[in-house]
Order: sequence, then C-alpha cells, then structure tokens
Amino acid sequence: GESVGLHLPTLSVQEGDNSIINCAYSNSASDYFIWYKQESGKGPQFIIDIRSNMDKRQGQRVTVLLNKTVKHLSLQIAATQPGDSAVYFCAETGSGYSTLTFGKGTMLLVSP
Amino acid sequence: NAGVMQNPRHLVRRRGQEARLRCSPVKGHSHVYWYRQLPEEGLKFMVYLQKENIIDESGMPKERFSAEFPKEGPSILRIQQVVRGDSAAYFCASTRQDGLSAREAFFGQGTRLTVV
Repeated sequence: GESVGLHLPTLSVQEGDNSIINCAYSNSASDYFIWYKQESGKGPQFIIDIRSNMDKRQGQRVTVLLNKTVKHLSLQIAATQPGDSAVYFCAETGSGYSTLTFGKGTMLLVSP
Repeated sequence: NAGVMQNPRHLVRRRGQEARLRCSPVKGHSHVYWYRQLPEEGLKFMVYLQKENIIDESGMPKERFSAEFPKEGPSILRIQQVVRGDSAAYFCASTRQDGLSAREAFFGQGTRLTVV
C-alpha cells in the first residue's frame, strides 16, 4: 500500500502487481511533463514524457496519464519487477530552452 | 560512447574549504545544466551554461557559488568556504544544442558532497 514515511512517500508492491505513482504539479503553463527513475547512488534516468496537449501516453510497460483539470500526473507500471525499485520523480518543463522543475519523489519498493 | 561524466563521485570537505565539482558532457554536447539534490528531495536547478557563457544562473546562490564551462575542458561548479548546508548531491546534465527542452538532457551520476 501507499504510505507517507518520515520524508519520501513510499509505495510497496509485490512483484507482478501493477504500480501507480502519483504527482501533483504546479505550473499550468508547462509544455511537457516527464517521469524520471533514480536508483540509489545514480542520476535521474528518463522514463517517459507527455506533452500538455495529450492526456495519455504509453511506453513499454509504462503509461503516463495527465489530468490538467486537477494538475495531476500519474505513472503506471505494469507487471512491476524488483528492478523497478527506485525513487520516481515527476518533472515539468517548457518547450525550447527551459529548466526542469522536479517534484518531491516517491520511493517504489518491489518485493519478490 | 560515454555519457555525462562527473567527478569526483564523492567529495568530503571541512567547513571553510573549497569544493570543485567537474562535469564532462556527452561528446558533442555544448550545453550543461547543474542541479542540486538535498536528501530525499527532488533536484533543484542551479545554473545553465554553454561554452564560455552563463545563460541562466537564477537558481544559484549569489555568494560562494560559481560555475564555468570553458572552451576546452569540463564544466566546473565551485563552492567556496563550504558550510554544512552545502552537503548534497550535485548533478550535471547536458544537451547537444541551445533551445532544446531540458527534457532532452542526459544526467550524470552526480557528486555527493559531504561537509564535515
């Protein structure tokens, strides 16, 4: 289940389950919303992004949903594997030159 | 085909010393971003540079912090007179040209700075 720990929210799932990680964003003018995976001791790794004029985009085992009405973004991971264990960050940015604004992150723990 | 290389991976400094963090972008990339990550938080933008030019330093503290990206060699993030609050992971990301969205940037492994 989902819980809020001392710092990072944590989602614990069993291998094979589907995982849903949520994010609330702040800037309604952002053009792109991105999900990153960060494993311990490593830099953020791009997973998938979605443009603001879309509400759903699918990748391999991952789906991102965008609800602009409530400024909500979610990442769905199908058939979660132990290798998916990491901290997941959402980020928003504009098109052209712009920087990334990151959310706080959610730790995903997958047990075999 | 190396990605973004940062060194050192870990750096320990005493309060008051200087810290120098290096970032070599992906080969052929001419633009570099620096981000700071405090424990269990998301990354926060610090500075955006192209070779020999600072494009945006709006996220960098006005004092003690400086960044450069010379014509030859890596980008350097320099922190003078470090304090305990500077302890964080510092990440570099690069893009191949100006005007690309930051979502197209590749991140390095980071330098973890500990101030004791």
